[in-house]
Amino acid sequence: GAGVSQSPSNKVTEKGKDVELRCDPISGHTALYWYRQSLGQGLEFLIYFQGNSAPDKSGLPSDRFSAERTGGSVSTLTIQRTQQEDSAVYLCASSLNTGGETQYFGPGTRLLVL
Amino acid sequence: GESVGLHLPTLSVQEGDNSIINCAYSNSASDYFIWYKQESGKGPQFIIDIRSNMDKRQGQRVTVLLNKTVKHLSLQIAATQPGDSAVYFCAENGGRVIFGKGTRLHILP
Repeated sequence: GAGVSQSPSNKVTEKGKDVELRCDPISGHTALYWYRQSLGQGLEFLIYFQGNSAPDKSGLPSDRFSAERTGGSVSTLTIQRTQQEDSAVYLCASSLNTGGETQYFGPGTRLLVL
Repeated sequence: GESVGLHLPTLSVQEGDNSIINCAYSNSASDYFIWYKQESGKGPQFIIDIRSNMDKRQGQRVTVLLNKTVKHLSLQIAATQPGDSAVYFCAENGGRVIFGKGTRLHILP
């Protein structure tokens, strides 16, 4: 069965460049979440989408970060003018809805900014 | 956002012993709780969940205990095995899912 997939699995970029990270949620899941995880640390909430509602962007650390979700399915997280402190694993999760449902995580994208 | 910026605490357990991982949650209105396991290089995976109308739920080798009075959640792993080595996160849902800081479980041979 298809789980949450993310691409690329690894991304190395130079400081100042823009990057796009992609998430394909489980089919039929209306809620989609992005988290950031720095090495050896916990999960930092970034943004979530629920159906056609306006996304909750309260976790985005700066205006260099943005995300969109097209057609209620695939989501793209964009980081503009990357900085070295952006280096982390970016995890995507989806759930059937946000009414207390379990989140299913993708394998993450490991971003390294040189 | 819900920042969890501290380095993870580590619990070291002898192989074959039982492990108990604790979590304090923050929102008294949370009514759904989940434990996740994250192995190195992978995303978190669901282990077990519990709703607020229960105080105990058992799975295969795992038990979750919920104490709403003190807002405390624990995960018990019976007969800990090398494959249990991972970081364990609790999560609460009271309208917004909030993850705990995580605990690294280290298995001693």
